[in-house]
Amino acid sequence: QQQVKQSPQSLIVQKGGISIINCAYENTAFDYFPWYQQFPGKGPALLIAIRPDVSEKKEGRFTISFNKSAKQFSLHIMDSQPGDSATYFCALRLTGGGNKLTFGTGTQLKVEL
Amino acid sequence: DTGVSQDPRHKITKRGQNVTFRCDPISEHNRLYWYRQTLGQGPEFLTYFQNEAQLEKSRLLSDRFSAERPKGSFSTLEIQRTEQGDSAMYLCASSLEGPHEQYFGPGTRLTVT
Repeated sequence: QQQVKQSPQSLIVQKGGISIINCAYENTAFDYFPWYQQFPGKGPALLIAIRPDVSEKKEGRFTISFNKSAKQFSLHIMDSQPGDSATYFCALRLTGGGNKLTFGTGTQLKVEL
Repeated sequence: DTGVSQDPRHKITKRGQNVTFRCDPISEHNRLYWYRQTLGQGPEFLTYFQNEAQLEKSRLLSDRFSAERPKGSFSTLEIQRTEQGDSAMYLCASSLEGPHEQYFGPGTRLTVT
């Protein structure tokens, strides 16, 4: 069953704009919510992650917003750049689940000049 | 480069043949994970090791799949009697024991003709 729903499937943003990607989950027993960035032909690279005891985490141009009651979390990319064009995956880790990750279906971001 | 490495990067095989992939984790990481990623989807968990012990296998890992990590360092993933449905990117990741970030390798892209 699909434990995490990611949207949108694809996104086009103008250079300098804000990119927003959303994920919603069902099971409340997750304790870690990372976002990964993947370029074509490469493996996913950890971008930023949050734990459920905080509502927001910011690292440079990247921010995760977390709404525990709504079981949703989102990635915001400020001042989006063409080099940010990639596929982004949200993921979740089940508490006590051996650290394995469940991934969303991905969002293909294109930042245009 | 001390990241996760995988070999080969690409493999084309005919249906029915056996294939083996290798993963070398980050040297101090005692956990190693295998994921499979099909086109347009997020990675799906297959199995993971803590040192040489295989602690969990997904239902996705059919009897034709076997993974080993004999000395707790590198790992191999073998697929016997390959089928066209096995065509995917096979990703390896590693982490320290416990709730730590996973770092992915570049993947092995398998094409079964």
